[in-house]
Amino acid sequence: GIQVEQSPPDLILQEGANSTLRCNFSDSVNNLQWFHQNPWGQLINLFYIPSGTKQNGRLSATTVATERYSLLYISSSQTTDSGVYFCAVSGTFNAGGTSYGKLTFGQGTILTVHP
Amino acid sequence: DAGITQSPRHKVTETGTPVTLRCHQTENHRYMYWYRQDPGHGLRLIHYSYGVKDTDKGEVSDGYSVSRSKTEDFLLTLESATSSQTSVYFCAISAGSTDTQYFGPGTRLTVL
Repeated sequence: GIQVEQSPPDLILQEGANSTLRCNFSDSVNNLQWFHQNPWGQLINLFYIPSGTKQNGRLSATTVATERYSLLYISSSQTTDSGVYFCAVSGTFNAGGTSYGKLTFGQGTILTVHP
Repeated sequence: DAGITQSPRHKVTETGTPVTLRCHQTENHRYMYWYRQDPGHGLRLIHYSYGVKDTDKGEVSDGYSVSRSKTEDFLLTLESATSSQTSVYFCAISAGSTDTQYFGPGTRLTVL
């Protein structure tokens, strides 16, 4: 199956700093998503981004599918950005004539933002 | 939050007992998933469903079974719980044509 590797595994920042998280994957994918797991355990979908660039406020993501990596940028970090960031990928396949995806998750990047 | 609830939210049980976790959604999504999250392993897919009575295995399905008799409910059953099944279990749905996934709040299961 597809292998997903995230880096760095841990990241400590001061509030206001910028950061870049990386996700490498071992095979072609049709689906790539970024998630944030907050300190209370809730998983929040940040981006669906199998290719190209998207921005949502202080967060943006870029996926270069041909080179099998994706980047998540966090600008002007805040303490509420703390938590674990996961990249997840899947191919698609058919069942009953309809395609859908099964996600393979990376190990995550643990981000701690200090005030 | 895509209207996903999980029950119970916490459970402590003993080795060998059966356990059923429930995932309930209110928005009629076709695809539903069960994951487990363990330290050092991230999230791993257990089983998934692509419609009522249509289910299949994921990466770590041994020791688990699922059922989906209604669109809104996806049940995960541990027939005889073991300590290795101590974990946090998340249910998810796929929404829209992009398979964007949204997760429930999770169930923390401890098997003593």
